[in-house]
Amino acid sequence: AQSVTQLGSHVSVSEGALVLLRCNYSSSVPPYLFWYVQYPNQGLQLLLKYTTGATLVKGINGFEAEFKKSETSFHLTKPSAHMSDAAEYFCAVSAAGGFKTIFGAGTRLFVKA
Amino acid sequence: EPEVTQTPSHQVTQMGQEVILRCVPISNHLYFYWYRQILGQKVEFLVSFYNNEISEKSEIFDDQFSVERPDGSNFTLKIRSTKLEDSAMYFCASSVGTSSYNEQFFGPGTRLTVL
Repeated sequence: AQSVTQLGSHVSVSEGALVLLRCNYSSSVPPYLFWYVQYPNQGLQLLLKYTTGATLVKGINGFEAEFKKSETSFHLTKPSAHMSDAAEYFCAVSAAGGFKTIFGAGTRLFVKA
Repeated sequence: EPEVTQTPSHQVTQMGQEVILRCVPISNHLYFYWYRQILGQKVEFLVSFYNNEISEKSEIFDDQFSVERPDGSNFTLKIRSTKLEDSAMYFCASSVGTSSYNEQFFGPGTRLTVL
C-alpha cells in the first residue's frame, strides 16, 4: 500500500524567500514520486518526478525536489518565490508499472509581496 | 499544445439521477484515468482504463460507476444514481504509458453538484 503525507495545508512566504513544501511517503515497493501544481480553476500540471537515478530532481519554474529514502521524504523547494508561484501543490506516489497515482492532501502556497 | 478537455465544466443534478462526464484525452495517449476531489480534500484515484478495459480501480469505484471509450476519442465516466456525497470535482487524465513512467496530463475538471 502507498500513501502520502503533506505537512502543512497552508504555507506563506514572502516574494524572494525560499519555498519549502514538505512531503513524506509510505510505500511497500520502490516509489515513483511526483509533484503537481494546480492553479485556480485549472487541472493538475506536473512539476517534476522521481523514478530512478539521481535523487535531486529539477523541474519546471525553478522547482526541485530531493528523494531521501532514509527519511521517506520528497520535499519540494525553490530558492526564490515569485508571486506567480501562488497555487496548490500536490505530492503524489505510484509504484513501478502501476496504473494509479496516490495524492497527498495538498499544500496551498501563498506568496506575499 | 495538445491538452485534455472535459465537458461540462459544471454539472448540477438531482440525487438519484444519472450523469455522464465527458473527457477527450490527448490523441496519441493510451491510458486514461478518472480522479475526484471532494471540496477541501485530497485528489483520489477512481479508475484507470487501457485497451478498452479497466486496468485498476479503487474502492470508491463501485457498481454505481462505469467508464467507457465509446468512439475512440471520448472517455466517459457514468454515475448511475448520484448521491449527495458524489459532489466533487472530477478530473480526467491521460498518459502515453502507465502512470508511473509517464506524465499524466490532467483536464481542467468537471464540478459535479448533487442536490
